[in-house]
Amino acid sequence: DAGVIQSPRHEVTEMGQEVTLRCKPISGHDYLFWYRQTMMRGLELLIYFNNNVPIDDSGMPEDRFSAKMPNASFSTLKIQPSEPRDSAVYFCASSLRRQSTDTQYFGPGTRLTVL
Amino acid sequence: QKEVEQNSGPLSVPEGAIASLNCTYSDRGSQSFFWYRQYSGKSPELIMFIYSNGDKEDGRFTAQLNKASQYVSLLIRDSQPSDSATYLCAVNSGNQFYFGTGTSLTVIP
Repeated sequence: DAGVIQSPRHEVTEMGQEVTLRCKPISGHDYLFWYRQTMMRGLELLIYFNNNVPIDDSGMPEDRFSAKMPNASFSTLKIQPSEPRDSAVYFCASSLRRQSTDTQYFGPGTRLTVL
Repeated sequence: QKEVEQNSGPLSVPEGAIASLNCTYSDRGSQSFFWYRQYSGKSPELIMFIYSNGDKEDGRFTAQLNKASQYVSLLIRDSQPSDSATYLCAVNSGNQFYFGTGTSLTVIP
């Protein structure tokens, strides 16, 4: 398996623009997670899905952020409008099932810079 | 607020020494505990997990868990320069994962 795939790997945009990040989880994994990582705040869980259904979006910072999972092999995280403080590395991760010892496999991340 | 605390470091150890990384957590209901390694510019990768009190060994790595004191540690024996990375502690609590901000480790040849 190719692992979790994310695109783009790097995104530079200007404040106010819409940004869409994409993720393809590992085939057969039924949990998908979106994280944001910054030096100051570390790795923060934004939202996670089970079987394409959003389960917990309490980590989404504000209404400018939205996430969808239209099918088992694709998810998007959208920021509209983007702001400089959104600059971070965004990771997508997937896991097979939600038990305490199940491993989350991370994608390579998208480095977002908002000017 | 469920918190996971780690010393940000940097922690420097000479090659061949034992590196000790520590993590404390605030939620006594936490069920399982994970150590991830993250190289600069890369994504986190799982080293090992532990869910019972005591020690768990995997090669040069040993995870130690003390639920009464709410801490988990990672020992790296015979440290190698390739172990230089940031180590993230993660805690599963109420089916949520909470990550610490990580400890930066440098192994000096």
